[in-house]
Amino acid sequence: GIQVEQSPPDLILQEGANSTLRCNFSDSVNNLQWFHQNPWGQLINLFYIPSGTKQNGRLSATTVATERYSLLYISSSQTTDSGVYFCAVLRGSTLGRLYFGRGTQLTVWP
Amino acid sequence: GAGVSQSPSNKVTEKGKDVELRCDPISGHTALYWYRQSLGQGLEFLIYFQGNSAPDKSGLPSDRFSAERTGGSVSTLTIQRTQQEDSAVYLCASSYTGGVQPQHFGDGTRLSIL
Repeated sequence: GIQVEQSPPDLILQEGANSTLRCNFSDSVNNLQWFHQNPWGQLINLFYIPSGTKQNGRLSATTVATERYSLLYISSSQTTDSGVYFCAVLRGSTLGRLYFGRGTQLTVWP
Repeated sequence: GAGVSQSPSNKVTEKGKDVELRCDPISGHTALYWYRQSLGQGLEFLIYFQGNSAPDKSGLPSDRFSAERTGGSVSTLTIQRTQQEDSAVYLCASSYTGGVQPQHFGDGTRLSIL
């Protein structure tokens, strides 16, 4: 299978700070998704971003497919941003299964 | 429906019992996926349905696990003779046509085996 590595594993921020989360993957991919798992366990879609840059409010993401990495930027963090951020990738040859990284645990303090 | 719906949200059962978990995908989505999230293993793929067929069931951990999908909609994941290591959150996702389309997840079923 494909290896997905996320860094850092843990991140603690003060409210208002900015952060960058990284996802490295070991092979070419056809799809990449970023998810936020909130403290209630819900897995929320943030971005579908196989390549390029997208922005949604305070969040943005960039995937450089040729270099096999993706970055998730969180600006002006809020306590509601706390939770685990997962990167997941898909290869066309494996019929749609997503391979997940281990996640980045983000804690934002007021 | 508006989102992927899973039931029950929580299930506690005794070791050795059978359990059934249900997933109702987003209306119109032909592809459906089951994943499992456990403390030691992270998020792992179990099975993928396209319509009522399962072209990839390679993630099912043992023959105690089975899944079916009927009418191209609702899916049921069945675990027979449950073991304590089956304790996990079971997540269902769906996507519009499968392939590289984005997957949308339900809230999961938290399964606890006593």
